[in-house]
Amino acid sequence: DVKVTQSSRYLVKRTGEKVFLECVQDMDHENMFWYRQDPGLGLRLIYFSYDVKMKEKGDIPEGYSVSREKKERFSLILESASTNQTSMYLCASSRGPGTDYGEQFFGPGTRLTVL
Amino acid sequence: KNQVEQSPQSLIILEGKNCTLQCNYTVSPFSNLRWYKQDTGRGPVSLTIMTFSENTKSNGRYTATLDADTKQSSLHITASQLSDSASYICVVGETGANNLFFGTGTRLTVIP
Repeated sequence: DVKVTQSSRYLVKRTGEKVFLECVQDMDHENMFWYRQDPGLGLRLIYFSYDVKMKEKGDIPEGYSVSREKKERFSLILESASTNQTSMYLCASSRGPGTDYGEQFFGPGTRLTVL
Repeated sequence: KNQVEQSPQSLIILEGKNCTLQCNYTVSPFSNLRWYKQDTGRGPVSLTIMTFSENTKSNGRYTATLDADTKQSSLHITASQLSDSASYICVVGETGANNLFFGTGTRLTVIP
């Protein structure tokens, strides 16, 4: 079974703090994704990565950056957290290569609250 | 504009009853359509994936249908159980581009 794990289930940070969210997958997937999910808006893509050290902006990259130094690990960084970044963050992975993602496997999510 | 719309937004049914959730999309060119189940506070889990040539796919008590001509899909749940209470999300992929379009989901509550 594919397993996608996220470093924290719940996280509370203060405005201006630097926040790291980590995601690890154990199925050697090429593609990894970071989404945020807000009520009434569905999932929105922040960043994705096709391969190590490769990253592409999604629909809402502002205020976020990512890092993929190893194939199995994809990190989301909030350089200076703001209250409007309070959200559920979901990591996903899928087999590549190619532009058709195939089945995505999601992690359990991190509920981030920025005070 | 590529969009995915789901209806109803929420639904309450009695345990043991059947229900059908709807998904309409305008994504073009179409690659595939996925249904996910998301329990409260958890990540989505894939139920079915259908390509253009498939018009029905089952996963246990879940059956998805696809009409690529009318750009509609439905998810039918048979003999509902309390554990079916969740949000169901429709996702449509665009061919040749790195885009997936997510619906906002239908919140299903099954009551005893």
